[in-house]
Amino acid sequence: GDSVTQMEGPVTLSEEAFLTINCTYTATGYPSLFWYVQYPGEGLQLLLKATKADDKGSNKGFEATYRKETTSFHLEKGSVQVSDSAVYFCALSDPGSARQLTFGSGTQLTVLP
Amino acid sequence: DTGVSQDPRHKITKRGQNVTFRCDPISEHNRLYWYRQTLGQGPEFLTYFQNEAQLEKSRLLSDRFSAERPKGSFSTLEIQRTEQGDSAMYLCASSPALAGAKDTQYFGPGTRLTVL
Repeated sequence: GDSVTQMEGPVTLSEEAFLTINCTYTATGYPSLFWYVQYPGEGLQLLLKATKADDKGSNKGFEATYRKETTSFHLEKGSVQVSDSAVYFCALSDPGSARQLTFGSGTQLTVLP
Repeated sequence: DTGVSQDPRHKITKRGQNVTFRCDPISEHNRLYWYRQTLGQGPEFLTYFQNEAQLEKSRLLSDRFSAERPKGSFSTLEIQRTEQGDSAMYLCASSPALAGAKDTQYFGPGTRLTVL
């Protein structure tokens, strides 16, 4: 079945550092790919998405490119802020009719001032 | 757009009791999903509704679990004879049926269940 593997955390960075969180997937079809973020005490929020190969999703300075050849969707940000501290989840949607999401286990990011 | 709401936010119950959670999706979203998230893990799919029809159920959804969406608007998830292993965050999400947008799911804040 479909699966998502994320870089294990926790990740601790200083403010203004470069961020990469690795994500690879296994899927039988052509899924859409997502990054969701969960801030402390809050629900999951969609951060960005990409629906086909070579698409780049971007939002709030974060970017991720759908790489079919390497089955990857790594999350990057050039300069993190303290307010980016959260748990980040990579996910794919089943290309069937239900479109349910399959999530990775999440990566906890802490940004220090 | 008021977002997806869930009630209650927290529920503590004793083993063997029944519990029911409610989800109100974003209005006009006809697709509704339930997920379960345990500590340190990503959410896992439980079940999916399109309008009032329950179209898919995960193997995780044992016969003690039942979900309904009677009028195609709000949904309820009931767990009968709760077990300690049911302790988790139960998340609801909704999405529109539009061809370009139905992949995008919007999540509620979740209901945290603790079974003592």
